[in-house]
Amino acid sequence: DQQVKQNSPSLSVQEGRISILNCDYTNSMFDYFLWYKKYPAEGPTFLISISSIKDKNEDGRFTVFLNKSAKHLSLHIVPSQPGDSAVYFCAASPYNDMRFGAGTRLTVKP
Amino acid sequence: NAGVTQTPKFQVLKTGQSMTLQCAQDMNHEYMSWYRQDPGMGLRLIHYSVGAGITDQGEVPNGYNVSRSTTEDFPLRLLSAAPSQTSVYFCASSSWTGGNTEAFFGQGTRLTVV
Repeated sequence: DQQVKQNSPSLSVQEGRISILNCDYTNSMFDYFLWYKKYPAEGPTFLISISSIKDKNEDGRFTVFLNKSAKHLSLHIVPSQPGDSAVYFCAASPYNDMRFGAGTRLTVKP
Repeated sequence: NAGVTQTPKFQVLKTGQSMTLQCAQDMNHEYMSWYRQDPGMGLRLIHYSVGAGITDQGEVPNGYNVSRSTTEDFPLRLLSAAPSQTSVYFCASSSWTGGNTEAFFGQGTRLTVV
C-alpha cells in the first residue's frame, strides 16, 4: 500500500526548459512534504520541502507546489540544467517517519 | 565533516548467514532510521529510533533487528539472510522536530543474498 506515488518513472527535458515532477499521496494526515535528489551510488540529498499550511515554496530554480484538496504536489525546475539529471524522490511525513514515492528519473539533455 | 557513514558499501551473503550493517552519524541527531531501496518501490522504512534506547518498527521490519545504545550509532542486524533481502540499504539521521526536518543519508550498502 504505497501512500506516496510518483506515477512517472522517467522524464526527459531539454536544457533550459521547465521540468515538472509530480507526486500524489493518499494519507490526509501527512503534514510535511519533501523532495530528495539522488545520484547513482550516492545517498539521497534533501532538495526542498513544504508544510501543509502552505501551497508554494521556492528556492532558487526549484519550486514546490502543494494542492491539498487534490492530495498532489509538484516540483518545478526552471531552467533545467544537465546537472539536474538524477532520480527525484517525493516524501511525506506524518509523525515519526517518512514515506517515499518510487522516484522519477529526470534526464536533462544538452 | 563525515555526516552519516555506512559500512560496508558492498556485501554478499549466503542464505541463512547473519550480518550487521553499521551506521554512524556525527551531527548529534536524535532521529535515525534505516531504509531499503528496491526497483519500482522507492525507499521503504525498516526501523527508526527517536533517541538512544528507543526504537520502533517502520513499514517493512520483518527479518531485521535494531538497537540504539548511543546517539551516534544505529546498527541494522540481519539474523538469517534471505534472497528477498537483496537490496540497497540507506541509513539516515535528522534533528527530529516532528517531521519537518530534512534527513541526511549515508551512501548506502548494496547487499546481495545468494
